[in-house]
Amino acid sequence: DQQVKQNSPSLSVQEGRISILNCDYTNSMFDYFLWYKKYPAEGPTFLISISSIKDKNEDGRFTVFLNKSAKHLSLHIVPSQPGDSAVYFCAARRSTSGTYKYIFGTGTRLKVLA
Amino acid sequence: DSGVTQTPKHLITATGQRVTLRCSPRSGDLSVYWYQQSLDQGLQFLIQYYNGEERAKGNILERFSAQQFPDLHSELNLSSLELGDSALYFCASSVDGRGDYGYTFGSGTRLTVV
Repeated sequence: DQQVKQNSPSLSVQEGRISILNCDYTNSMFDYFLWYKKYPAEGPTFLISISSIKDKNEDGRFTVFLNKSAKHLSLHIVPSQPGDSAVYFCAARRSTSGTYKYIFGTGTRLKVLA
Repeated sequence: DSGVTQTPKHLITATGQRVTLRCSPRSGDLSVYWYQQSLDQGLQFLIQYYNGEERAKGNILERFSAQQFPDLHSELNLSSLELGDSALYFCASSVDGRGDYGYTFGSGTRLTVV
């Protein structure tokens, strides 16, 4: 049962335009969400996070939106740059009795076209 | 360089064999996590250690085991290997056990079972 879903395996965007990556989750108990970026032959790197008590968090060109009622998370990149081309993973945290587990989506491959 | 060191980078072994993957966390980080990424799959959480003690368990097979040593490095042992165990194995670390600021991932060990 995939609790965190990234339904778009790939996305192509023109340089300078907005990239929107989406993530859906099923467990309403998730309390924290993160986005990671992964380049080939490297491990994922942390990008931005959002707590379940917020609906938006911004860091430079990256903004994460959380819609709890829809159990939907999105990452906006504006403006998109060729260096943003990578695989993006969303991850959701479930906290249980002092333990914290992150469940990752399957990733969306973003290609920014120059 | 993320500061998380994983060795070896590549490993090819036969079915039925046993291998050990090694991880040195980023300096100052007390928590170590192991993840498995199979082809076209998201990152599957295996196990977490915090300051030498097991903190959380994910979908880790009984054939797999891990430990974190007093110097905080960790080893993931995979035994009775099957073809389906071929995957990228990532180690990540964080300063605490919550991961509020994301994990720092290593570049992974690619295991191929033939």
